[in-house]
Amino acid sequence: QVQLQESGPGLVKPSETLSLTCTVSGGSISSFYWSWIRQSPGKGLEWIGYIYYSGSTNYNPSLKSRVAVSVDTSKNQFSLNLSSVSAADTAVYYCARDDGTSAFDIWGQGTMVTVSS
Amino acid sequence: QSVLTQPPSVSAAPGQKVTISCSGSSSNIGNNYVSWYQQLPGTSPKLLIYENDKRPSGIPDRFSGSQSGTSATLGITGLQTGDEADYYCGTWDTSLSAGVFGGGTQLTVL
Repeated sequence: QVQLQESGPGLVKPSETLSLTCTVSGGSISSFYWSWIRQSPGKGLEWIGYIYYSGSTNYNPSLKSRVAVSVDTSKNQFSLNLSSVSAADTAVYYCARDDGTSAFDIWGQGTMVTVSS
Repeated sequence: QSVLTQPPSVSAAPGQKVTISCSGSSSNIGNNYVSWYQQLPGTSPKLLIYENDKRPSGIPDRFSGSQSGTSATLGITGLQTGDEADYYCGTWDTSLSAGVFGGGTQLTVL
């Protein structure tokens, strides 16, 4: 079955760029929407944005100026870049598959990213 | 402040039934499908309900979903201690052009 795995640095310095990659295994990335969602410690879920395999994107307005999501269909991966990070961006970052109705049916295990000098 | 409003916590005894509400507006729940997620401690969220009332394969029929107007409800019957978790509702917000979630509800099975 389809599985997702996030990878990337667990520690990022303030003002730098957070970069994560999600690898899709057991299926093709060439369909569905692929999202990034985060959860700050002890808090709820926040949708960051999605990318369609064709490359079209949509981002949370509150993060839009700092977010970029890209896809590499040859590697079955999609990636998140979040620039100018601060402590408020410290969170567990999840990648997830969106079935097209904003229902996230498959999730990665999540990766904790801490923003600190 | 979340776009969708859920009660912070609910509780019930084993074997009983509980409902969790999710309140929104015409720009989200009123015109888009609602999904529900269960997040057990230390784990990723798991899809319980999609398209308001459909269950993915493998989700027991103890879990049900409904939607009416600008609100949605998750129902859980035959409560088990293993159901203790945080539950989130989610949908698309047409005005924001963004995915949105409720703040989450912590379920305690007493």
